[in-house]
Amino acid sequence: AIQMTQSPSSLSASVGDRVTITCRASQGIGKNLGWYQQKPGKAPKLLIYEASSLQSGVPSRFSGSGSGTDFTLTITSLQPEDFATYYCLQDYTFPRTFGQGTKVEVK
Amino acid sequence: QVQLQESGPGLVKPSETLSLTCGVSGVSVDSANYYWTWIRQPPGKGLEWIGYVYYTGSTNYNPSLKSRVTISIDTSKTQFSLKLSSVTAADTAVYYCAREYYYDSSIDSWGQGILVTVSS
Repeated sequence: AIQMTQSPSSLSASVGDRVTITCRASQGIGKNLGWYQQKPGKAPKLLIYEASSLQSGVPSRFSGSGSGTDFTLTITSLQPEDFATYYCLQDYTFPRTFGQGTKVEVK
Repeated sequence: QVQLQESGPGLVKPSETLSLTCGVSGVSVDSANYYWTWIRQPPGKGLEWIGYVYYTGSTNYNPSLKSRVTISIDTSKTQFSLKLSSVTAADTAVYYCAREYYYDSSIDSWGQGILVTVSS
C-alpha cells in the first residue's frame, strides 16, 4: 500500500496566519490526492480534490498544489473556523490511504 | 441533496460480527458514478479506508481487513452494508459510510458516523 506522510503532525497558529501542510507519498501518485478537514465529533469534509481543485462551496483561502510525491495544502489567512485536523488521502490506487493528520491549534 | 446515515449496534462482543448499514437518500445507489465506501476512525486516531462496493456488486477491500470484511449493496433498499467478523477491541472505532465519485475519486459525501465499541 502507498504510505502517506504528513507534516507537521500539529501546529499552532493565529487568526490571519498563512498555514502550510505537506503530504508526501511513498511513490508517485500523479495528481490523485485530496485534502479533508475534520472538526471534533464530525465527519471529514472534502476541501481539495485532484491535488488542486477546490471543492464547491469551500472558501478560496484554501488551495492545494503538487504532483508526483509531494503535495501542499495552504490556508492563506487562517480563520477561527479553520482550527481543525487536516488529512490528505491518495486516490491513485486501492487501498486508499490517508496521511496521519495535521492538527491546527490556536497559538 | 444526498444524505448518508449509518445504523447498527453501538456495542459488539469480542469474536462476534459487527454489522452496519448505510441508508442513502437523494441519489440512487444504482449508479455507475459512485463507489459506496466505508471508512473508520479509532478514538483519537486517524482515518482508515475499509473498502467499497460498486453498483454492480463488485468490491475492493483493504488487505489489512480483507479476510474479515464483507461490503454489500441493496439497490432496492437504497442502502449498502458492512460486516466485519471476529472483532476485537482494536476494531472499536467511529465507522463512516461515504460516497466516492468514480470520475475524480473525491469523497464528497459522508455519513455522520457511528461509534462501535467492542467489549464484553
